[in-house]
Amino acid sequence: KNEVEQSPQNLTAQEGEFITINCSYSVGISALHWLQQHPGGGIVSLFMLSSGKKKHGRLIATINIQEKHSSLHITASHPRDSAVYICAVRSGETSGSRLTFGEGTQLTVNP
Amino acid sequence: NAGVMQNPRHLVRRRGQEARLRCSPMKGHSHVYWYRQLPEEGLKFMVYLQKENIIDESGMPKERFSAEFPKEGPSILRIQQVVRGDSAAYFCASSPPSLAGKDTQYFGPGTRLTVL
Repeated sequence: KNEVEQSPQNLTAQEGEFITINCSYSVGISALHWLQQHPGGGIVSLFMLSSGKKKHGRLIATINIQEKHSSLHITASHPRDSAVYICAVRSGETSGSRLTFGEGTQLTVNP
Repeated sequence: NAGVMQNPRHLVRRRGQEARLRCSPMKGHSHVYWYRQLPEEGLKFMVYLQKENIIDESGMPKERFSAEFPKEGPSILRIQQVVRGDSAAYFCASSPPSLAGKDTQYFGPGTRLTVL
């Protein structure tokens, strides 16, 4: 079993739909990241969370430390949101900041 | 403030040759991480460096791979005697020198290595 599990693996939505991507992890963490990888391959960091909720534009990320679960929500989805969304966790406060990644969720938003 | 820079963006090597991948972190960042993304797979940690020190190389293959981050100049990931299985996207990320584990990592555009 992977330390970081994402669901679903693939998601197809119509423009305007509300989207949720889930991430569960099995290790203690100091922070959780949500990343976006575009078809060209570049990676953008969307959020870093250690508790609660963060919002940026149409994107919302939440984390429940007790349940070891995080969600990424996209409101009013748009075709340009089509990308792979990757959950990554960072464990250890001082032993290094290596990230452990989920397998990613391929999101396709159709017009 | 320029982002994390990697070069080359694309690198083609024949089996047995050496590949050198460079990463210039964001200005002021002294922590560098290398990750590898094999075709159709997720990202995997390789190595974490600070200036002149390897902090964690537990994700590096034991042979043929090495990394450095000298006092001056970019971080280098070096792959000797490349094999077809080394074909992948190699991403570098950097973070500033504050509390380890507390800062966002900023990713470079990646180097896509193809071994013929």
